[in-house]
Amino acid sequence: DAGVTQSPTHLIKTRGQQVTLRCSPKSGHDTVSWYQQALGQGPQFIFQYYEEEERQRGNFPDRFSGHQFPNYSSELNVNALLLGDSALYLCASSFGLAGGNNEQFFGPGTRLTVL
Amino acid sequence: AQKVTQAQTEISVVEKEDVTLDCVYETRDTTYYLFWYKQPPSGELVFLIRRNSFDEQNEISGRYSWNFQKSTSSFNFTITASQVVDSAVYFCALNAMNRDDKIIFGKGTRLHILP
Repeated sequence: DAGVTQSPTHLIKTRGQQVTLRCSPKSGHDTVSWYQQALGQGPQFIFQYYEEEERQRGNFPDRFSGHQFPNYSSELNVNALLLGDSALYLCASSFGLAGGNNEQFFGPGTRLTVL
Repeated sequence: AQKVTQAQTEISVVEKEDVTLDCVYETRDTTYYLFWYKQPPSGELVFLIRRNSFDEQNEISGRYSWNFQKSTSSFNFTITASQVVDSAVYFCALNAMNRDDKIIFGKGTRLHILP
C-alpha cells in the first residue's frame, strides 16, 4: 500500500518563475492538504482540497493556487516566485473532512529553492 | 486564536538518558485534538500520537509517554532510555475538532541523542 507520494523531490527556480508541485494521496484517501515548512519552522497550512474544490485556506497570497483531480491527486502552483517561497512543501492526505478525527498522512515533501 | 509553543529549540542528551519535550497550547475551543509528530532528516512527518481534549489520561507506548494536562494547557512528550535513532525534530500540533482540518504546528524541538 503506497503512502503519500510527492514529486519532484527537489526543485530549483529563480525569482519570478512559476512552479508546480504534485501529490498523490495514500490509497483510499480523498482529501489533500498542503503545508509550507520554512527552514527551522513548523509546517504552515496553505490549503485543502476535497471533491476537487478548495475547502479551506490558510494565510497565503493568491500566488499560491491548487487543483485536485478526479483521482484525488493534487497540484500546488506558485506564481511569481519570491526568495521567501524557498521551503519544504508537504502534502498530507486523509479520508473525509471530519477535522482531527481523520488522521493525516504526510508525504516526504518537495524542497523548493528560489534563487 | 490557536497557538502551539515549543519553548525548547534544541536539546542534546546522552544515549539512555530520559528526555522530556515541552508543549504548551492555546485555543478557545473546548474540543480539540493534540498531536506529536517526528520529522527525521528525510523530511517526512511521522505521526506519533493524537489525543482529544476529553481524554486527559496519560499514554505510554514503549519508550514514549505523553502527559496531557488541560489545567496548564500542556501536552509534554517523554522519551525514556533515549536512543540515537530518536534524533529528529519533534513537532507538537493542535486541531480544533469539527471546525476544520487545519493543523497548527509548533516550531519544533530538535533533539540530538549523543552516543
